[in-house]
Amino acid sequence: DVKVTQSSRYLVKRTGEKVFLECVQDMDHENMFWYRQDPGLGLRLIYFSYDVKMKEKGDIPEGYSVSREKKERFSLILESASTNQTSMYLCASSFKVARGYTFGSGTRLTVV
Amino acid sequence: GENVEQHPSTLSVQEGDSAVIKCTYSDSASNYFPWYKQELGKRPQLIIDIRSNVGEKKDQRIAVTLNKTAKHFSLHITETQPEDSAVYFCAASLNDYKLSFGAGTTVTVRA
Repeated sequence: DVKVTQSSRYLVKRTGEKVFLECVQDMDHENMFWYRQDPGLGLRLIYFSYDVKMKEKGDIPEGYSVSREKKERFSLILESASTNQTSMYLCASSFKVARGYTFGSGTRLTVV
Repeated sequence: GENVEQHPSTLSVQEGDSAVIKCTYSDSASNYFPWYKQELGKRPQLIIDIRSNVGEKKDQRIAVTLNKTAKHFSLHITETQPEDSAVYFCAASLNDYKLSFGAGTTVTVRA
């Protein structure tokens, strides 16, 4: 069974802090994704990566960056956290969309 | 990019009745349409999917239909049970690796 593990379930950070959200998958998936989930807005794509060191912007990349130095790990970075980045962050991975994504359990980030 | 709209945003049904959720997509080139179920406090999980060369797919009590001409697809749940209560997301893909999601439908099954 594919496992996608996010390092933190809950996180509280202060405005202006640099925040790292980590995601690791154990099934050799090429594709990895970061989404944020907000009530009434569904899942919005922040960044994705289809290979090591490759990254592409999603629909809402502003204020975020990513890093993929190894195939199994995809990190989301909030350069300077702001209160409007308070949200649930979901990582996902896949071989190809045709087989669907596998999601991590999510990180609920609160920026105060 | 692809734009997916999902309706209704909330749906309350009596146990044993059917539930239908509808989604529309903007790009006629989209070719893959999965549905995810997210129970409270849990991760979204794939429950059924359909490709553009298929009009309907069924798996026990759930089915998905696709109308390419109208650019909409629907999820049908029959004989609803309390464990069907969850948030359901539709999604569409223009290529083979990026999904665009609908805003979600919160389904409540009343006992």
